[in-house]
Amino acid sequence: NAGVTQTPKFRILKIGQSMTLQCTQDMNHNYMYWYRQDPGMGLKLIYYSVGAGITDKGEVPNGYNVSRSTTEDFPLRLELAAPSQTSVYFCASRPGLAGDTQYFGPGTRLTVL
Amino acid sequence: QKEVEQNSGPLSVPEGAIASLNCTYSDRGSQSFFWYRQYSGKSPELIMSIYSNGDKEDGRFTAQLNKASQYVSLLIRDSQPSDSATYLCAVWGRGAQKLVFGQGTRLTINP
Repeated sequence: NAGVTQTPKFRILKIGQSMTLQCTQDMNHNYMYWYRQDPGMGLKLIYYSVGAGITDKGEVPNGYNVSRSTTEDFPLRLELAAPSQTSVYFCASRPGLAGDTQYFGPGTRLTVL
Repeated sequence: QKEVEQNSGPLSVPEGAIASLNCTYSDRGSQSFFWYRQYSGKSPELIMSIYSNGDKEDGRFTAQLNKASQYVSLLIRDSQPSDSATYLCAVWGRGAQKLVFGQGTRLTINP
């Protein structure tokens, strides 16, 4: 199993541009999450999904959109990028069983200039 | 009150000593607790999970849980420079759909 994979690893955007961060897991996990982590700070939940077709907002959803058309993929869309979205973005997944926990992808480092 | 709070860092410990990391949580109904380690520039990785009161040992790591005091800790014995990282405490939130993370404690082991 590759686990949770994310692409791209790095990206520089100009203000106002849009992009999609890709996240794929091959563990047949029901739950998937998107976090952002600013330098020296903790993890902030952007969006999460409890299964294909079901998504919900986390604590910092503004400026982002998600979709979950398959179990494997959970892309994060940034519309009209702003410097405040400069961060490291982590995708995570979990099976959805009692007592389980999340497994993280390697992250995407995004800079908006 | 934050849902999950960790002792403020950074924490500096000499090599070979015991590093003690602490975490408190607000939801008395929480059942599952986790410690993640995050090296600089890397993603968090799970190092310990604990579900019952008491101690759980895994190599040099010991997790301790006290549900009555709503307190979970991580002890690292014989600390090594490779243990230098940020340690994140995590607890399932209400409904167990979202893992709630503490702000992390940065640990530095000095040779």
